[in-house]
Amino acid sequence: GAGVSQSPRYKVAKRGQDVALRCDPISGHVSLFWYQQALGQGPEFLTYFQNEAQLDKSGLPSDRFFAERPEGSVSTLKIQRTQQEDSAVYLCASSLNPPDIQYFGAGTRLSVL
Amino acid sequence: GQQVMQIPQYQHVQEGEDFTTYCNSSTTLSNIQWYKQRPGGHPVFLIQLVKSGEVKKQKRLTFQFGEAKKNSSLHITATQTTDVGTYFCAEGSGNKLVFGAGTILRVKS
Repeated sequence: GAGVSQSPRYKVAKRGQDVALRCDPISGHVSLFWYQQALGQGPEFLTYFQNEAQLDKSGLPSDRFFAERPEGSVSTLKIQRTQQEDSAVYLCASSLNPPDIQYFGAGTRLSVL
Repeated sequence: GQQVMQIPQYQHVQEGEDFTTYCNSSTTLSNIQWYKQRPGGHPVFLIQLVKSGEVKKQKRLTFQFGEAKKNSSLHITATQTTDVGTYFCAEGSGNKLVFGAGTILRVKS
């Protein structure tokens, strides 16, 4: 595709609900990243994939957060038993290979009520 | 952990005035990248600086990397309303970007 595509754009969840956020990277991009951006803050790193391998998940805030990229293309970020503090914009980025330029998607704005 | 501090948090300028945002680190940065995020949008890459003392220009934007590689600045000459948004610096650290908190720029026409 022309750019990184994320869906849904907006998600409202009740506290305790599970959510799944999808990222479709730029075709051919080996590296895929997830970031969390709280209101008024810069994006914070969550996790990184090279192809299907999750090489760094040091930024995942708790074991309720899980990411996968089973075929080395589309990735899903899953949050179990959502809490209010999970409310944020979740950004996906892809690059040909680090430290190449990262191209960001439009993000998914998650609101947990 | 790594921290990149950015100042000011917010700046409101009259159209035509200049604008500068600064990025500082207590440790040596391997590189510095600058991104722009329009209101409601996503970060868009502007430039990467790698070398000590490096200066790069893009039209009205001038980017500098300090001699000690611990600070960087973005300067916009004669701001326009299209410059509004949040400007982030980020260090490319291994496989991830470590972002500053950003500087919000508003331009009064």
